[in-house]
Parts: sequence; structure tokens; C-alpha cells
Amino acid sequence: KNQVEQSPQSLIILEGKNCTLQCNYTVSPFSNLRWYKQDTGRGPVSLTIMTFSENTKSNGRYTATLDADTKQSSLHITASQLSDSASYICVVSGGANDYKLSFGAGTTVTVRA
Amino acid sequence: DADVTQTPRNRITKTGKRIMLECSQTKGHDRMYWYRQDPGLGLRLIYYSFDVKDINKGEISDGYSVSRQAQAKFSLSLESAIPNQTALYFCATSQLNRGRRTDTQYFGPGTRLTVL
Repeated sequence: KNQVEQSPQSLIILEGKNCTLQCNYTVSPFSNLRWYKQDTGRGPVSLTIMTFSENTKSNGRYTATLDADTKQSSLHITASQLSDSASYICVVSGGANDYKLSFGAGTTVTVRA
Repeated sequence: DADVTQTPRNRITKTGKRIMLECSQTKGHDRMYWYRQDPGLGLRLIYYSFDVKDINKGEISDGYSVSRQAQAKFSLSLESAIPNQTALYFCATSQLNRGRRTDTQYFGPGTRLTVL
């Protein structure tokens, strides 16, 4: 069973609008949580990484939040642009083995003009 | 990320053939990884290596083997390809940030493999 669940599976938004993606995880113990952006036909690129003590992290128009108590994270995209069309992947690292990552299946975001 | 390159980018082969996918990096990282990505599923780790003399199995290593020829090179082999190995394969590299106990993985562009 996947230990990282993302919702929604896909969404369509109009350019300029905001959206929020959700990630719930059951990975334990917890080390850190990452959000990656994957453009079609390309490898994932890191957007943010948050450790246990961090509850928010921004990267330009992307803001990630983390609630380690409820094991939930969100990625908020502000003022979306056409270039934001991509798959967004939530990745959780557990325990001392930081290299062992659990990947969500991703949320596909389509931004339309 | 141009610092991590994969060859070939696309490959179509037949069942039973031996296939090698290659990965090179110029980031100077010690850690390298091979993943596969299937539609609707998260990336899954096949093998990983922390240095030239270190090779470890990931969660789905059956049917695959790897070779770490140098710090910068990590190749993945399918000894006898089968159709359910049709997938998108990614190589990644990382270097541990000891202060934050994190390491950001940098992914290559991927190899799309089709086994007929």
C-alpha cells in the first residue's frame, strides 16, 4: 500500500488562479517531506524540502505547508501560469535512511489560458 | 537537469533481449539511484549506490542489475527484458547535507523503455 497519497489526481485551473494540492502520508518515522515538479517528458525537479521542525516553505509562487502531527502537507500555487502545467509529486523520507523515499503518484495540474 | 544525463532517451526492444541504460553526472555527487515510473504509480527505487564500491537493492530489484563504473557513471541492465518492464526509467544523484540531514535528489531526463 502506498504510504503517500495525493489528491486530487488531476485538476484544471485558469491562468492567474490559485490552487492547492494535498498530500497525506503514513511514513513513520518521519524525516522530511519534499515536493517535486515534473514536466511532461522530463525528470522531477525539487521545489521544496521540509524537515520535522518546519511547517511552511516557499519557492517563488509555490508555498508548501507541513503538519507533522496530522501527517499532511499541501502545496499552494499562487497566480498560476501556463508553465505551471505539470505533475506535482509529494515525497516523504523516513527515519535515518534519508535516501529511501516514498513517492506519491502525483497530481497533474493543467493551467488553461 | 543537464548535469544528469541518460542514454538512450527512448528504446524499443523485444522480450528476452539484454538492455543497458546508462547514466552520467557532472555534479560530483557520491549517491546515485535508479527508479522506474509507471502510470498512476509513484516512482519506485530499483537500485542505489553511495559510492563506487557500494551497491544496494531497492524495493523492486528483481530482473535488474547495476554497475557503478565510476563516481560519475551508474548503469542499469535488464538481463532478459520482459513486457512488464516497459516503463519510464530515471537516474538520480544526491549528496547528503549533513547539517540538515537531507539530500536533494537531482533527476535525469528519463529513458522510455518499451519491451514488446
